[in-house]
Amino acid sequence: ETVLTQSPGTLSLSPGERATLSCRASQSVNSNYLGWYQQKPGQAPRLLIYGASSRASGIPDRFSGSGSGTDFSLTISRLEPEDSAVYFCQQYGGSPTFGQGTKVEIK
Amino acid sequence: QVQLQQWGAGLLKPSETLSLTCAIYNGSLSGHYWSWIRQSPGKGLEWMGDVNHSGVTTYHPSLISRVTISLDTSKSQFSLKLTSVTVADTGLYYCARVKNGPFWYFDLWGRGTLATVSS
Repeated sequence: ETVLTQSPGTLSLSPGERATLSCRASQSVNSNYLGWYQQKPGQAPRLLIYGASSRASGIPDRFSGSGSGTDFSLTISRLEPEDSAVYFCQQYGGSPTFGQGTKVEIK
Repeated sequence: QVQLQQWGAGLLKPSETLSLTCAIYNGSLSGHYWSWIRQSPGKGLEWMGDVNHSGVTTYHPSLISRVTISLDTSKSQFSLKLTSVTVADTGLYYCARVKNGPFWYFDLWGRGTLATVSS
């Protein structure tokens, strides 16, 4: 099973700042199988990024993904108050697994 | 647009069977895989298994002895059964659609069903 480790656990930033979230895999992941999700309280996760770097339909261009192999990242270029949420990375090789999440707080 | 609506019993006693159903509205089972994913404070998000449009299933290795996912194509529904539940199975259970090939990801989610196991 591929373990995904996300860092930091919590990110506290001001509106307009840049957020960079990290996802490290215990073994190499095919980029086609790497996704990022946003979850707000009381809601199901929502797909943001698929294929490591492709934005899902309707996702603002301030969200971007990058990386390959074992190191992936999600960047939110200019934080807005509605970006306050928990963000998960996920891989679909073999048994799909999720990271433990990074909580983004807006000051 | 396509929506997933899920339902099932929320309060169970240890050793009982959890049964959940997910219906696809404004869409079809064809051409996709369909998954169950659960979330708990202790384990985070955990993929439980999936079924494709032909009824072929794949399960999480740790659950394979207790979980069954099945299709009802006539009703555009798929279901989850988890036997011999314990307190550790308490959590929020989601059904989800899998976008399969060349990119693989969960592109559509149900709203979640809370399952609580307590004696």
